[in-house]
Amino acid sequence: DIQMTQSPSTLSASVGDRVTITCRASQSISSWLAWYQQKPGKAPKLLIYKASSLESGVPSRFSGSGSGTEFTLTISSLQPDDFATYYCQQYNSYPALTFGGGTKVEIK
Amino acid sequence: QVQLVESGGGLVKPGGSLRLSCAASGFTFSDYYMSWIRQAPGKGLEWVSYISSSGSTIYYADSVKGRFTISRDNAKNSLYLQMNSLRAEDTAVYYCARAHPIIAAARTFDYWGQGTLVTVSS
Repeated sequence: DIQMTQSPSTLSASVGDRVTITCRASQSISSWLAWYQQKPGKAPKLLIYKASSLESGVPSRFSGSGSGTEFTLTISSLQPDDFATYYCQQYNSYPALTFGGGTKVEIK
Repeated sequence: QVQLVESGGGLVKPGGSLRLSCAASGFTFSDYYMSWIRQAPGKGLEWVSYISSSGSTIYYADSVKGRFTISRDNAKNSLYLQMNSLRAEDTAVYYCARAHPIIAAARTFDYWGQGTLVTVSS
C-alpha cells in the first residue's frame, strides 16, 4: 500500500496567518490526492480533490498544489472556523485507498 | 439534501459479530459507489470497504478481508457492513461515505454520515 505522511502533526497558528500543510506519498500518485477537514466529533469534509481542485462550496482561502509525491494544502488567511484536523488521501492506488496521519491546526 | 445515517454500532465481545446499516436519502442511491471508512479513537482515517453502484464490484482493506462483508439494497436505499470475528483493533467510529460523482474525484468521498461507534471489548 502507498503510505501517506503528513507534516507537521500539529501546527499552532493565529487568525489571519497563512498556513501550509505537507503530504508526502511513498511513491508517485500523479495528482490523485484529496484533502479533508475534520472537526472534533464530526465527519470529515472534502476540501480539495485532484491535488488542486476546490470542492464546491469550499472557501477560496483553501488551495492545494503538488504532484507526484509531494503535496501542500494552504490556507491563505486562517479563520476561526478553520481550527480542525486536516487529512490527505491518495486515490491513485485503487482499491487500497490510504489517508495521511492528520495535521491538527490549533490556536496559538 | 444528501443524508447518510449509520446505525448498529455498540459494544461487542472479541470474536463477536455486528451488522452496521447506513440509510441514504436525498440522492439516487443506486447511482453511486459507496464505502465504509473507520476511525479508531484519537487516530486517523482508515478505508475499510467499497461497493459499486450495482453491488457487483466489492473491495476490502487487507485488515478486514475475510471477516467483513459489505452489501447494499438499492430498493431500500441502504448500505450494510456485516462484521464477524471482531477484534479489539476493530474498535472505531465507522462512517459510511458516498463516492464523489465527478470522474476526477472518483474514489474520494463527498458526503459522510455522522458515524457509529463500534467497541470490541471483553
